Amino acid sequence: QKEVEQNSGPLSVPEGAIASLNCTYSDRVSQSFFWYRQYSGKSPELIMSIYSNGDKEDGRFTAQLNKASQYVSLLIRDSQPSDSATYLCAVNVISSGSARQLTFGSGTQLTVLP
Amino acid sequence: ETGVTQSPTHLIKTRGQQVTLRCSSQSGHNTVSWYQQALGQGPQFIFQYYREEENGRGNFPPRFSGLQFPNYSSELNVNALELDDSALYLCASSQGSSGETQYFGPGTRLLVL
Repeated sequence: QKEVEQNSGPLSVPEGAIASLNCTYSDRVSQSFFWYRQYSGKSPELIMSIYSNGDKEDGRFTAQLNKASQYVSLLIRDSQPSDSATYLCAVNVISSGSARQLTFGSGTQLTVLP
Repeated sequence: ETGVTQSPTHLIKTRGQQVTLRCSSQSGHNTVSWYQQALGQGPQFIFQYYREEENGRGNFPPRFSGLQFPNYSSELNVNALELDDSALYLCASSQGSSGETQYFGPGTRLLVL
């Protein structure tokens, strides 16, 4: 069973709409959750982190966390064509030793249509 | 820009060869993690270095090895390259052994022929 699962997409939304990206995870002890954006041919760029249940807003982005349901989501309001990218959900888990590793989903490809 | 740098940007090798990839962490960060990202997949954790010691490893064979130097820069070495090693190799830096937030460098794209 995959540890982090994302809606595989691809997801297309019109410009100005709300894009909703979802992620579930299997490790109940995970405490830290991240959303990265990855443009084609580039490396992942951190856009949001969330640690507590509820919503966290940063500009047009809102991350939502529900630990009881093991569910993380990212909402992008007023979507712009420049938001077109692959969005990666990542969960911080304890690896072997004392390392904290990021476990990623496969990503959701978002296209915002002008 | 995260301040994390990697070299080279692209590399072509043949099966059986060895490769060394390099990473310089963000100023103030003492932890470096390496990830492999195959096409269409999320990054997969290879290992992490904290204060020059490996302190965690993912499900990768021993032919993947690494080093961290006193200035916290790091190397990833891969011996006996296989075709499936073709991927984007990402370095991420963070602060502390349980560094929560990791910032990625631009990556090295490796092609094994």
